[in-house]
Amino acid sequence: KQEVTQIPAALSVPEGENLVLNCSFTDSAIYNLQWFRQDPGKGLTSLLLIQSSQREQTSGRLNASLDKSSGRSTLYIAASQPGDSATYLCAVPPQGGSEKLVFGKGTKLTVNP
Amino acid sequence: SAVISQKPSRDICQRGTSLTIQCQVDSQVTMMFWYRQQPGQSLTLIATANQGSEATYESGFVIDKFPISRPNLTFSTLTVSNMSPEDSSIYLCSVARGYTEAFFGQGTRLTVV
Repeated sequence: KQEVTQIPAALSVPEGENLVLNCSFTDSAIYNLQWFRQDPGKGLTSLLLIQSSQREQTSGRLNASLDKSSGRSTLYIAASQPGDSATYLCAVPPQGGSEKLVFGKGTKLTVNP
Repeated sequence: SAVISQKPSRDICQRGTSLTIQCQVDSQVTMMFWYRQQPGQSLTLIATANQGSEATYESGFVIDKFPISRPNLTFSTLTVSNMSPEDSSIYLCSVARGYTEAFFGQGTRLTVV
């Protein structure tokens, strides 16, 4: 059964810092991995999708990497801003190819001005 | 991408009543997914809604409690029946195209009193 773990559960940093969020998953036979952002009480915004054949994806100040063999992904946020404060969720399919997703519990990020 | 509209965005309901949540997608999709996010927890898949067939429920979720309709390829509803305070959660609708990026509605924040 696919399980997703995110570390740390919460992170507080001063504005301008670079930071790394970690995600690990137990079944490495995945087609893709997706990172989401969730603001309090709101829905999910897709940040980055990494296909299994890719090692990393970049969007603006965000960079996500994927190491399927070790079952790990990282989300790197450069030059953090207070507007980056949110919960970041990592999700993978339960097995192989599936449109369903299994989510980690998320990392709650607070960027202090 | 896909634009998903979910209604209502929030509601406060009396225990023992039912609430129907609507999800509208801006384009046709084969499968739509309903997730639940309990307070302080991550997302858990409730069921997969296919047009023209019965929804497929995940372990721990039953049709009598969470009936789903899927009348066409752009619309679905989830009903939370005979509600109790334990049903207080954010309910989210999601779609994906093939084994690619998943998109979510803005969620319905339900409080049962």
